[in-house]
Amino acid sequence: NAGVMQNPRHLVRRRGQEARLRCSPMKGHSHVYWYRQLPEEGLKFMVYLQKENIIDESGMPKERFSAEFPKEGPSILRIQQVVRGDSAAYFCASKGLAVFKGNTQYFGPGTRLTVL
Amino acid sequence: KNQVEQSPQSLIILEGKNCTLQCNYTVSPFSNLRWYKQDTGRGPVSLTIMTFSENTKSNGRYTATLDADTKQSSLHITASQLSDSASYICVVSARHSGYSTLTFGKGTMLLVSP
Repeated sequence: NAGVMQNPRHLVRRRGQEARLRCSPMKGHSHVYWYRQLPEEGLKFMVYLQKENIIDESGMPKERFSAEFPKEGPSILRIQQVVRGDSAAYFCASKGLAVFKGNTQYFGPGTRLTVL
Repeated sequence: KNQVEQSPQSLIILEGKNCTLQCNYTVSPFSNLRWYKQDTGRGPVSLTIMTFSENTKSNGRYTATLDADTKQSSLHITASQLSDSASYICVVSARHSGYSTLTFGKGTMLLVSP
């Protein structure tokens, strides 16, 4: 059973371009979370999605950022018109149904975005 | 505002020695507390999880404690190994109606030296 997959692992964009980050959850998981980690900072929650639904996007900037988790295919975090401040590591985590104690989120390896 | 504070920020110990990492939190409504290990360039991996009623939880050489009254937790690592070098992150879960959200500490960067 493959773990959470993220691609690309590294992404370089120039200011003003678009960045698309992909996350394939663990097999059987229908819940996806996106987090951002700035250098020397802890992970910060951005958005929580279930298949085709955004449950909580309170941590995601209102402008330029969007996320989706379609019925088929990976979850996508899209950042439009990137700025240097968007440079960070973006982690995706997935979890299964909330029937087991702890409800552990399993993290992917992250995508490191660098904006030049 | 939910917050998780960890100390120390970084720590260097000799291989074979023990160490204890600290975590203080103000998260409500509290659901559970996890310690994660994050190797450089990798995603966090769960080490332990404790609910309100649990005081201690072990996972091999890792032992976590929780004092829900004082809102403090610790992670004790015994007989450290070079592979323990990583960032250790305290993560507290708050339970909302139907789902949970996680608040992450900044982590303690541990370096185990030969």
